[in-house]
Amino acid sequence: NAGVTQTPKFQVLKTGQSMTLQCAQDMNHNSMYWYRQDPGMGLRLIYYSASEGTTDKGEVPNGYNVSRLNKREFSLRLESAAPSQTSVYFCASSVLYTSSQETQYFGPGTRLLVL
Amino acid sequence: AQKITQTQPGMFVQEKEAVTLDCTYDTSDQSYGLFWYKQPSSGEMIFLIYQGSYDEQNATEGRYSLNFQKARKSANLVISASQLGDSAMYFCAMREGRADDKIIFGKGTRLHILP
Repeated sequence: NAGVTQTPKFQVLKTGQSMTLQCAQDMNHNSMYWYRQDPGMGLRLIYYSASEGTTDKGEVPNGYNVSRLNKREFSLRLESAAPSQTSVYFCASSVLYTSSQETQYFGPGTRLLVL
Repeated sequence: AQKITQTQPGMFVQEKEAVTLDCTYDTSDQSYGLFWYKQPSSGEMIFLIYQGSYDEQNATEGRYSLNFQKARKSANLVISASQLGDSAMYFCAMREGRADDKIIFGKGTRLHILP
């Protein structure tokens, strides 16, 4: 199993350009997430998807859109990139095995630089 | 208001000593889950341990244990017999409500293990 994969690993954009970050998981998890990580800020939730066909806003959704294409794939789109969106972006998926066992798995991250 | 508070931005601990990383949370839900993650300097997010709100026993995973004090809304991570490889950022996170609800993070604690 590959777990959670993300593409690209690194991207440089100019202000105003658009791009889509791709994420896929092969663990048959229902829930998927997009986070951004900035120095000193921990991880902040952008959007999440509890199941195929549903998406919900997280803590910092402005400037982003998401698509839960199917159970495996959850993409994050920046329509018009801004320097404030320079960050490391993590995709994750989670599963609740029992009330005593829940796990969240992360992808390797995408480093995005907006000039 | 912050939902997850980690009050120790950084800690220095001698190798082989036990370490306690603090985490307090804020929720009015009866059902929730608490997570701890490790992020080494390489940047990947590694799941360590999970505690469900209805679990009466503290969760344990090898050298990691979660000291769950529900009335105090505290979920501290205890690392026994620390090793140099434990040097990393550690994040506490919480899922409120439904099993498929969002998971949000604290700002983290940077742990340095001294030889």
